[in-house]
Amino acid sequence: SQKIEQNSEALNIQEGKTATLTCNYTNYSPAYLQWYRQDPGRGPVFLLLIRENEKEKRKERLKVTFDTTLKQSLFHITASQPADSATYLCAPSGYSSASKIIFGSGTRLSIRP
Amino acid sequence: EAGVAQSPRYKIIEKRQSVAFWCNPISGHATLYWYQQILGQGPKLLIQFQNNGVVDDSQLPKDRFSAERLKGVDSTLKIQPAKLEDSAVYLCASSGAQANNEKLFFGSGTQLSVL
Repeated sequence: SQKIEQNSEALNIQEGKTATLTCNYTNYSPAYLQWYRQDPGRGPVFLLLIRENEKEKRKERLKVTFDTTLKQSLFHITASQPADSATYLCAPSGYSSASKIIFGSGTRLSIRP
Repeated sequence: EAGVAQSPRYKIIEKRQSVAFWCNPISGHATLYWYQQILGQGPKLLIQFQNNGVVDDSQLPKDRFSAERLKGVDSTLKIQPAKLEDSAVYLCASSGAQANNEKLFFGSGTQLSVL
């Protein structure tokens, strides 16, 4: 069955450093991969979408890579700030509406001043 | 632009009782999703609607859960009877796309506690 794995341990890094989060998937060949941010008590908020034919996507301080050979996506936050502290979820999906958008368990990121 | 509205925000019930959640998606969004999120886990898809038709309900426990989306707009999710393991946040999301290359907009969720 399809399986999505994200860093199960919380990630704690110093402000100003680059945070790197990992999303690995198995038994799956997604056409798209989305990343969301979730704050406590709130629903997830969309950040970025990357397509299988795109190696890299950037938005301000965010960068996402998609390696279909390794079956992995990396999510980077450069010049991290305490306000970036949240849980980050990856969500692969296929081409059609019949392909479910499945979420990983998320990685909790804490940026210390 | 108004976001996805959900109510109630919190609900506490005893096991074997019934409960209903309501969702109003973003205007014009054809696709509506209900997800269940247990503490410490990612959202798990329960049911996906395209307009008022069901696209996927393979993970919906149909012996106790039901959902409908009349007229292709608002949706309700019902649990009857509730079990202790149903304690979770129930998230509603919508998107304007028929393919899965568009972002989902989530509501704030309904936090259900079953005692």
